[in-house]
Amino acid sequence: DIQMTQSPSSLSASVGDKVTITCRASQSISSYLNWYQQKPGKAPDLLIYAASSLQSGVPSRFSGSGSGTHFTLTISSLQPEDFATYFCQQTYSTPHTFGGGTKVEIK
Amino acid sequence: QITLKESGPTLVKPTQTLTLTCTFSGFSLSSGGVGVGWIRQPPGKALEWLALIFWNDDKRYSPSLESRLTITKDTSKNQVVLTMTNMDPVDTATYYCAHWNYYDSSGYSAAFDYWGQGTLVTVSS
Repeated sequence: DIQMTQSPSSLSASVGDKVTITCRASQSISSYLNWYQQKPGKAPDLLIYAASSLQSGVPSRFSGSGSGTHFTLTISSLQPEDFATYFCQQTYSTPHTFGGGTKVEIK
Repeated sequence: QITLKESGPTLVKPTQTLTLTCTFSGFSLSSGGVGVGWIRQPPGKALEWLALIFWNDDKRYSPSLESRLTITKDTSKNQVVLTMTNMDPVDTATYYCAHWNYYDSSGYSAAFDYWGQGTLVTVSS
């Protein structure tokens, strides 16, 4: 299985801050990397697919980059509704493993 | 509009078999390039990919659970069923089904773009 490692596991930030979350794959996965946002008690929502493509309806303050083994999710200006947990997922090979998650909390 | 909903028991005993049904609308599992997957999440923990079934009946399983999992589809009923045998308390989790969408012809650029609300399954005697 391809292991996905996210960092940090949690962070505290203020509204308006720029936030960057990192996801590393245990082997190269090209650009086959998705990002999801999950709020408490809810199912995950797809934010970014194929490393950098914004899912329809997702605000442009979210962006993704990277290829190979190193990927980042950036929130350019954190909004109150962005406080949530974020997961990466590789789709290079099954099982399509997820990262351990990054919880973004209010500072 | 694509919707999915999971159904099944909320409580199972250790060693029992869990059967979960995902009932969906807004797409057909007989259409090319479509899939339905199952993902679970123990309380307070990360997401775990379990299984995926494609429009052509190709099936993929998590290797660590493959001996215990079976995924099937009933295209006429718009349902996907996941069975997991020999349940254990560590299998306590919220189980989600989700629509698998391909974004290009490579077969690699894909994601779960619609999710069910999830169903919490507790394993306890």
